[in-house]
Amino acid sequence: AQKITQTQPGMFVQEKEAVTLDCTYDTSDQSYGLFWYKQPSSGEMIFLIYQGSYDEQNATEGRYSLNFQKARKSANLVISASQLGDSAMYFCAMREGYSSASKIIFGSGTRLSIRP
Amino acid sequence: DADVTQTPRNRITKTGKRIMLECSQTKGHDRMYWYRQDPGLGLRLIYYSFDVKDINKGEISDGYSVSRQAQAKFSLSLESAIPNQTALYFCATSARTGTHYGYTFGSGTRLTVV
Repeated sequence: AQKITQTQPGMFVQEKEAVTLDCTYDTSDQSYGLFWYKQPSSGEMIFLIYQGSYDEQNATEGRYSLNFQKARKSANLVISASQLGDSAMYFCAMREGYSSASKIIFGSGTRLSIRP
Repeated sequence: DADVTQTPRNRITKTGKRIMLECSQTKGHDRMYWYRQDPGLGLRLIYYSFDVKDINKGEISDGYSVSRQAQAKFSLSLESAIPNQTALYFCATSARTGTHYGYTFGSGTRLTVV
């Protein structure tokens, strides 16, 4: 069965530093997609970045990049030059298969706090 | 207006009461989902629907039921609410086609069962 593991329940980082949020996954499928979502204190879920299992390059979206290590089944989120507004809960998620009939499962999340 | 609208935003109800959470979307997506979020557990899938005539149980469907009244509407019911159903509930949608079939989430419904 597919599984997402986020081992860091909480992290504190100084403003302007880079931060890496860990995510490992388990799947027997060769085709899958990996997502990161941000949940600020207001509660909404905000899509950040996506990586397909066949994508050769790591995904990047502005200050966000996904460090995809397929052999290690790792999909860490890297936030460069952290800002106070980055303080939030972050969820790693996976869709097994590329079909729209596949569901997304979520990790337990990491709460990131940025210190001024 | 939001693409995915959940009502109510907040609700306090008593144990044993029946309650319905509603979700409507203007995205034109076929797929709709209900998740609940609990601290330390992330989001867990309750029910999902790939079209109006297709309803499927997720990993934690016990105590819940759903209705897909139209392509744009997907309601979640708690037949007899209990305190451990206190959680943040999310509705989400996804398209049948697209680059990665990611979700569009509603703003969530915070439900408290006392």
